[in-house]
Amino acid sequence: SQQGEEDPQALSIQEGENATMNCSYKTSINNLQWYRQNSGRGLVHLILIRSNEREKHSGRLRVTLDTSKKSSSLLITASRAADTASYFCATDPESYNTDKLIFGTGTRLQVFP
Amino acid sequence: DGGITQSPKYLFRKEGQNVTLSCEQNLNHDAMYWYRQDPGQGLRLIYYSQIVNDFQKGDIAEGYSVSREKKESFPLTVTSAQKNPTAFYLCASRYGQAPYGYTFGSGTRLTVV
Repeated sequence: SQQGEEDPQALSIQEGENATMNCSYKTSINNLQWYRQNSGRGLVHLILIRSNEREKHSGRLRVTLDTSKKSSSLLITASRAADTASYFCATDPESYNTDKLIFGTGTRLQVFP
Repeated sequence: DGGITQSPKYLFRKEGQNVTLSCEQNLNHDAMYWYRQDPGQGLRLIYYSQIVNDFQKGDIAEGYSVSREKKESFPLTVTSAQKNPTAFYLCASRYGQAPYGYTFGSGTRLTVV
């Protein structure tokens, strides 16, 4: 079962613009993670935010978490053509006693030069 | 360099055949995971293992089998019982306990011919 759903499913922007992707999930979590996947490749871990954190930054990435709304957002500032990829959120559900991540359906980001 | 190696990159299976996908890591990670990804979809968990000689079914284990005889290796066998095996298979590993992100391999694309 997929816990997370990303919105929008696809996003097209120009270089230099900001890109915002949202993730909604269903059950209480220990943490939420964001991953990037280039076409035909494996996923790369971007950032992890714990359930007691509200915001986290890493370079041009900014992640927010609202546990009351069960939602998270990933903001990529000053996007580049190299940011073109699919972005997935993954949740570590609190109800599990093992660290099984549940992945969402992803947002496909296209950044035009 | 440490990482996860999946092989082969492309694999073709005839109807009724069993095939084995290799996943090897030299990161000294404890936990390993197999996910399946269908076109335009998120990842679904097939099997996971937290320690050697122990593994657990994920959400879509039917038609698959695994072994974990060594910490470094977690091969996945796609059996003839898996009726729709054409997909992109991703292996991942994680160090210790949460909260840590997963490290992914580059994937194996399996096609039934």
